[in-house]
Amino acid sequence: GAVVSQHPSWVICKSGTSVKIECRSLDFQATTMFWYRQFPKQSLMLMATSNEGSKATYEQGVEKDKFLINHASLTLSTLTVTSAHPEDSSFYICSARDGMTGLDTQYFGPGTRLTVL
Amino acid sequence: DQQVKQNSPSLSVQEGRISILNCDYTNSMFDYFLWYKKYPAEGPTFLISISSIKDKNEDGRFTVFLNKSAKHLSLHIVPSQPGDSAVYFCAASVGNTGNQFYFGTGTSLTVIP
Repeated sequence: GAVVSQHPSWVICKSGTSVKIECRSLDFQATTMFWYRQFPKQSLMLMATSNEGSKATYEQGVEKDKFLINHASLTLSTLTVTSAHPEDSSFYICSARDGMTGLDTQYFGPGTRLTVL
Repeated sequence: DQQVKQNSPSLSVQEGRISILNCDYTNSMFDYFLWYKKYPAEGPTFLISISSIKDKNEDGRFTVFLNKSAKHLSLHIVPSQPGDSAVYFCAASVGNTGNQFYFGTGTSLTVIP
């Protein structure tokens, strides 16, 4: 099946620093990528939808200036958590939809555990 | 507003028996539904999907049933195996061509050997 990778798998940073998370589709071109956040024992909450070459669409309540999303190529999207604070600590997961074959599902990355001290 | 709900946060089943996970939704525009399986600290893995033109889809030990009038879907796993122990999320979308998914809150399944 399709493979989506995320890097790093976990990161610990100090409050006030910025963290970049990469999401790559390894064997297909992803015209659309999604970024989710999961709190412990809670559902996956969609943060934003990004289409290659255009600005991301953010869900209500998600600060676009804090969570910068870039989808510069068909295989790479990045999420940058700017000026991270302890409340940003969470599990961030990306997913990608195969835009070339029209596959009707999303393939998820393994997630990135962010801990802000 | 939680448009997709999984009212049972956890479920325990004996190995070999049937596991039934339930999911309800409120948006009548949803016409495509999926089930994902998730292990701790990993991304979800796609299991099975169903379009609203069907009421049942089967793939090996996994069967998804859709009751559109009740806005309810369920995932049946039979026979259940210890390796099935994970959190199961149902998801729904309007169409299946690039639209966002709305996820339920998940049900943690434990299959007891």
